[in-house]
Amino acid sequence: GEDVEQSLFLSVREGDSSVINCTYTDSSSTYLYWYKQEPGAGLQLLTYIFSNMDMKQDQRLTVLLNKKDKHLSLRIADTQTGDSAIYFCAESGGGATNKLIFGTGTLLAVQP
Amino acid sequence: GAVVSQHPSRVICKSGTSVKIECRSLDFQATTMFWYRQFPKQSLMLMATSNEGSKATYEQGVEKDKFLINHASLTLSTLTVTSAHPEDSSFYICSAYGGYNQPQHFGDGTRLSIL
Repeated sequence: GEDVEQSLFLSVREGDSSVINCTYTDSSSTYLYWYKQEPGAGLQLLTYIFSNMDMKQDQRLTVLLNKKDKHLSLRIADTQTGDSAIYFCAESGGGATNKLIFGTGTLLAVQP
Repeated sequence: GAVVSQHPSRVICKSGTSVKIECRSLDFQATTMFWYRQFPKQSLMLMATSNEGSKATYEQGVEKDKFLINHASLTLSTLTVTSAHPEDSSFYICSAYGGYNQPQHFGDGTRLSIL
């Protein structure tokens, strides 16, 4: 079945760039997403990319997609302490229901 | 942006009680709503997919008689945990999907604690 993998933990210093990586197995994925979850809260959609794109940039966030290697990354520039959270990547085939397959989540810890 | 409201945010009740959780899409119509369960330090586990006006589709291993889902309108879905027991304690999150090529938007979750 489909599988989405992420590293469990990333620690960076405030002001540095963070890169969170994700790999997936479903070659028919149409959309790939990044969500942020703060403690005790739901998921906040950060950004998403269509599978025919290689890159998408939105302010401090840059998403890179290597479809050949089924690799997705999220780069956060000038990381702030408020960026500390769990980041989930997810993939879907789009269409009528857009059912998501989530990764395991990466805990980003930003050190002041 | 798209807003999904989930209520209540926290419930503490005695074993045997039934608990209803509401999920509303505030500024868009949701053709499909999803209900997830999240255990501590884990990812989200999809419980069921709910389409307006039809029966929910449950994932394997999820008891449909235990977790009743009603999707009465394009902006409201409810999850009722019937005769809840301590093992049902968890964080429940809903999401709403507005249709083709739109992302899912999530509620803030409900922390359910059964004593």
